[in-house]
Amino acid sequence: EAGVAQSPRYKIIEKRQSVAFWCNPISGHATLYWYQQILGQGPKLLIQFQNNGVVDDSQLPKDRFSAERLKGVDSTLKIQPAKLEDSAVYLCASSLERGAFFGQGTRLTVV
Amino acid sequence: QKEVEQDPGPLSVPEGAIVSLNCTYSNSAFQYFMWYRQYSRKGPELLMYTYSSGNKEDGRFTAQVDKSSKYISLFIRDSQPSDSATYLCAMASGTYKYIFGTGTRLKVLA
Repeated sequence: EAGVAQSPRYKIIEKRQSVAFWCNPISGHATLYWYQQILGQGPKLLIQFQNNGVVDDSQLPKDRFSAERLKGVDSTLKIQPAKLEDSAVYLCASSLERGAFFGQGTRLTVV
Repeated sequence: QKEVEQDPGPLSVPEGAIVSLNCTYSNSAFQYFMWYRQYSRKGPELLMYTYSSGNKEDGRFTAQVDKSSKYISLFIRDSQPSDSATYLCAMASGTYKYIFGTGTRLKVLA
């Protein structure tokens, strides 16, 4: 069974630029998550989708972050404009109830 | 107060030792409890998933949940250098919104 796929693996951008991350979840997993993990901290939930509907986006900075999940499968997370404090690993995960399964993450550096 | 508290460590133990990792939580609605292992520059890997209070064993790993004390533990028997990683606890209520601890860095010395 293929795992959660994310791209790109690494991205370096200047502050105020925009960036987008892509995620392909495990086939059949209805729930998809985007987490932000800052160095030395645990993952922090940004947004949770159930199929293509948003379940929770209470911690998503909506003035600069947006996410969508088209057709209930792939998802993209966008940051526009980026700030220095957005430097982190962005993790995508999918779930069919018994725990979430993570991709390798995208390491974003904002300079 | 954070919903999930976890000692960040680091924790150093000799090879073969029994390791005990712990988390406490404040939200009594949590009913699903997980432990993840995260190697450097990798995504978290699900190790254990438990639903109720009590113990669950899988090989060298035992997960323990005490809902009355809002306390969960992960025990690793016969620890190996390959177990050196960050261990994250996570928990969720019925909405499956997984909340993570900060992670405990473990180093097993050969």
